[in-house]
Amino acid sequence: DTGVSQDPRHKITKRGQNVTFRCDPISEHNRLYWYRQTLGQGPEFLTYFQNEAQLEKSRLLSDRFSAERPKGSFSTLEIQRTEQGDSAMYLCASSLAEGAGILGDTQYFGPGTRLTVL
Amino acid sequence: AQKITQTQPGMFVQEKEAVTLDCTYDTSDPSYGLFWYKQPSSGEMIFLIYQGSYDQQNATEGRYSLNFQKARKSANLVISASQLGDSAMYFCAMREGRTGANSKLTFGKGITLSVRP
Repeated sequence: DTGVSQDPRHKITKRGQNVTFRCDPISEHNRLYWYRQTLGQGPEFLTYFQNEAQLEKSRLLSDRFSAERPKGSFSTLEIQRTEQGDSAMYLCASSLAEGAGILGDTQYFGPGTRLTVL
Repeated sequence: AQKITQTQPGMFVQEKEAVTLDCTYDTSDPSYGLFWYKQPSSGEMIFLIYQGSYDQQNATEGRYSLNFQKARKSANLVISASQLGDSAMYFCAMREGRTGANSKLTFGKGITLSVRP
């Protein structure tokens, strides 16, 4: 059983460019989450999907950010017109909502994509 | 008010000794879940242990246990018999609402643990 995977692991881009990250969740998990983590801080919630439906978006997710999960499997997070303030680690997690039992919808994280905007 | 507070700036422990990492939380929801994650320098968040608000007993998972004091709104992580590989950042997180209803996690700022040989 493979865990959550993210691609790329590192991305360096110039200000103003668009970037796209991919997340592949654990295969049987129906929920998928995106978080952003800046240096010295804990992860902050961005958005999450149940199957293909985007159920919640944080105010942190400005108009330049868009996330999709078209077939309820992998997800993409796109940042348009990147700014230096977008430099962070972008973490993806997945969970199984139904039948979670005592583990209460535990989220399992991928290795993250570290974005550097020059 | 912060929902999750982790105030210890950094912790040091001798190998094979036990260490407690503090976490206090704030919520008015009677249903919630508390989680601890470990983040090594590689960056991946590793799930360690979970405690539900209605659980009668403190959660345990191998060398990890959670000292859950509901009235004090604290959920401290206890690591027994520390190992060098335990050196990492540790995050406390909370999910408010009943299981499956509201999934997003709110994290604290984390605590750095260093295990000395």
